[in-house]
Amino acid sequence: NAGVTQTPKFRVLKTGQSMTLLCAQDMNHEYMYWYRQDPGMGLRLIHYSVGEGTTAKGEVPDGYNVSRLKKQNFLLGLESAAPSQTSVYFCASSPNHLDQPQHFGDGTRLSIL
Amino acid sequence: DQQVKQNSPSLSVQEGRISILNCDYTNSMFDYFLWYKKYPAEGPTFLISISSIKDKNEDGRFTVFLNKSAKHLSLHIVPSQPGDSAVYFCAASVTSGTYKYIFGTGTRLKVLA
Repeated sequence: NAGVTQTPKFRVLKTGQSMTLLCAQDMNHEYMYWYRQDPGMGLRLIHYSVGEGTTAKGEVPDGYNVSRLKKQNFLLGLESAAPSQTSVYFCASSPNHLDQPQHFGDGTRLSIL
Repeated sequence: DQQVKQNSPSLSVQEGRISILNCDYTNSMFDYFLWYKKYPAEGPTFLISISSIKDKNEDGRFTVFLNKSAKHLSLHIVPSQPGDSAVYFCAASVTSGTYKYIFGTGTRLKVLA
């Protein structure tokens, strides 16, 4: 049982390049989330989805786009990468009740040069 | 405005002693609270939670206490073990439909053998 799988695990980009981070969950969860973790900042919500075909902005959505075309996948896109987007990105999923914990992937470490 | 605060970035405790990690929140609408543990290069994993209708929840060596009047929760680990060395995040949510968890900045616990 894989849980939440993030690909890739590491990536180095040049400023201005684009890329997509993939998150896949096999728990049939309705909710999915993308966070970024920066030193001293904790986990900050970028975008989230409450079901297939839906997305919504979190605390720090600027510079990112997301799509949830299939229930099990949640994609995070950077259209034009900036050094300020250097971070560790975590995807999470949870059932459709907010009194249930989230399950996290192991993260994607992204460096923008 | 940081709605969930962990004011101690780090904590060191001797093996076998009690570890107490603290978390304060400002939003009185929060009604579900969680603690996550995070090892390096891994995603956060759920540890224990508490609903606002309770003031204590216990799971083995881990106990979470909630003081609603003070808007404060704490995680007690007793006895502490070297394997407990990790970063601990508290998180809070409003279960009536905001679909979001708000995380604190984390406390790094080091248990000394």
